[in-house]
Amino acid sequence: GAGVSQSPSNKVTEKGKDVELRCDPISGHTALYWYRQSLGQGLEFLIYFQGNSAPDKSGLPSDRFSAERTGGSVSTLTIQRTQQEDSAVYLCASSAGATRDTGELFFGEGSRLTVL
Amino acid sequence: AQTVTQSQPEMSVQEAETVTLSCTYDTSESNYYLFWYKQPPSRQMILVIRQEAYKQQNATENRFSVNFQKAAKSFSLKISDSQLGDTAMYFCAFGLGGGADGLTFGKGTHLIIQP
Repeated sequence: GAGVSQSPSNKVTEKGKDVELRCDPISGHTALYWYRQSLGQGLEFLIYFQGNSAPDKSGLPSDRFSAERTGGSVSTLTIQRTQQEDSAVYLCASSAGATRDTGELFFGEGSRLTVL
Repeated sequence: AQTVTQSQPEMSVQEAETVTLSCTYDTSESNYYLFWYKQPPSRQMILVIRQEAYKQQNATENRFSVNFQKAAKSFSLKISDSQLGDTAMYFCAFGLGGGADGLTFGKGTHLIIQP
């Protein structure tokens, strides 16, 4: 597609439930990132995929968080046994990922997660 | 590790005024990229302007310009003739470019343009 697409736009769930957030990056972009933005805060890095390499999971806050990227394109961020502190906007971004690239990120509109 | 600091949580100016948002960063790298992103209420982050550290000339994009001071590790954003549509969160970001692991963001400045 023309831009980064994320779904759902908004998700309300009950504490303890699992949720899946989807990101469809810009076609041809090899790098994909997930960030978390809590209310009034900056962006917290969660996970990074580059091509077929093993992902950088160093930002995942707990083992309840996981992500996968199928076929080097669409990514799914899964949060198991959601807690109220997981409430945030989850932003996905992609970049061309080439060695000489500036590293500019192109963002989706985010998925707002509310855990009751 | 790199850090990015935005010391102004919120700023408010009148329409048509000029406003400067500050950003400082810390790195031991000599080659890197700096960015200003805008996040309006729609949530989507939009690139405003980009600066390559090896370029001495300050980047400009229409009403937006930067004051890049490499020795001081400072990267401020100047918005001239501010407009109501400039109201948004502004994030300063640092990156190493290429296949490196994404950008490091500051906590943001909420800019309000008053009519």
